[in-house]
Amino acid sequence: AQSVTQLDSHVSVSEGTPVLLRCNYSSSYSPSLFWYVQHPNKGLQLLLKYTSAATLVKGINGFEAEFKKSETSFHLTKPSAHMSDAAEYFCVVFWEAGTALIFGKGTTLSVSS
Amino acid sequence: NAGVTQTPKFQVLKTGQSMTLQCAQDMNHEYMSWYRQDPGMGLRLIHYSVGAGITDQGEVPNGYNVSRSTTEDFPLRLLSAAPSQTSVYFCASSYSYSDQPQHFGDGTRLSIL
Repeated sequence: AQSVTQLDSHVSVSEGTPVLLRCNYSSSYSPSLFWYVQHPNKGLQLLLKYTSAATLVKGINGFEAEFKKSETSFHLTKPSAHMSDAAEYFCVVFWEAGTALIFGKGTTLSVSS
Repeated sequence: NAGVTQTPKFQVLKTGQSMTLQCAQDMNHEYMSWYRQDPGMGLRLIHYSVGAGITDQGEVPNGYNVSRSTTEDFPLRLLSAAPSQTSVYFCASSYSYSDQPQHFGDGTRLSIL
């Protein structure tokens, strides 16, 4: 079965330090992968997407993610956290052979000053 | 373009009541879907539709009905509300299932007492 695992339910960083949110997937096929962000009481906003082109994907607000097929990972990074980055982040996998997106359980990012 | 519009934004129901969550999109998208979001669970698919007159079940369909009489609208019906259905509900759409990522509405926050 296809699945996606976000390895940390909660990540805390200080403002100005790097952010790493980890995501692993299991699949027999080549997936498309996305990262979404959800700020409190808001909807979901697409941060970036990987669709089998370049393995390093740049997104909005300085975020980027690297697709590593050998490790079945798609970790999200940002060099320097801002207070406004505090939110919940979802790793999402899409398989052509499926019928729906598969969401990870989410990682809550806290940023302290 | 308004995108994906969900109404109402908030609702409180009593156990046993019925109600319909509305979802409309003005992008001529064929694929529409409903998700529920619960703490620590990510988003889970309730029902989806690949076009007018065609619907199918997702991961957690029990207690919910859907219909798709037009391309624009995809209402979600709770037949007899239960406290376990307290959640945040998101509607999403795209041109087709293969045309990812989807556009998400802002959500409906539903509490059932």
